[in-house]
Amino acid sequence: DIVMTQSPDFLAVSLGERATINCKSSQNILYSSNNKNYLGWYQQKPGQPLRLLIYWATTRESGVPDRFSASGSGTDFTLTISSLQAEDVAVYYCHQYYSLPYTFGQGTKLEIK
Amino acid sequence: EVQLVESGGGLVQPGGSLRLSCAASGFNFGIYWMQWVRHIPGKGLVWVSRINIEGNSTNYADSVKGRFTISRDNTKNTLFLQMTSLGVEDTAVYYCARGRQVLHAWGQGTLVTVSS
Repeated sequence: DIVMTQSPDFLAVSLGERATINCKSSQNILYSSNNKNYLGWYQQKPGQPLRLLIYWATTRESGVPDRFSASGSGTDFTLTISSLQAEDVAVYYCHQYYSLPYTFGQGTKLEIK
Repeated sequence: EVQLVESGGGLVQPGGSLRLSCAASGFNFGIYWMQWVRHIPGKGLVWVSRINIEGNSTNYADSVKGRFTISRDNTKNTLFLQMTSLGVEDTAVYYCARGRQVLHAWGQGTLVTVSS
């Protein structure tokens, strides 16, 4: 199974500042035939369903604010919130869908400093 | 509005069975693959199972293979997860989600507690 490891586990950032979450996969999740990284990012707020933010490692889901961006390829990926808003307090997960069983990072809890 | 609403969770004794349902609305259920993912306390999100559009191709995590069965009724826009031989390790919030790989929509989840 591909192991997804996020860092840090907890992150406190001031309003308006940048937040960066990292995700590392134990195996390459870039499919060479289509040059796509099989990596998604999700947000979970208390009492709400998980929300897809990013897929194919860098594609923002419709309706997701452009302060959310992502980068990376192969085994190392990053989710960035350019200017933290109060409503961004949540747990963030990365997810590989390159091979079954699909696996998730352990989550990063983002709070306001 | 896309909605996925899980139901059927509850308290069950070890060795027992439970059937979860996921009612879909706001989209054409019959053209999407569907999945079950669970959130195990202290372990995080764990993929459980996946089913194709027609319902004739399924995949399972090794931990549930032979005990859980995923199915769907496209006439009723509903996804199911039949769970048998439940153990304490199956205690989790169970989510249904839409998608073959990327999970574009999720339900709120239903809590399954396995305890004597």
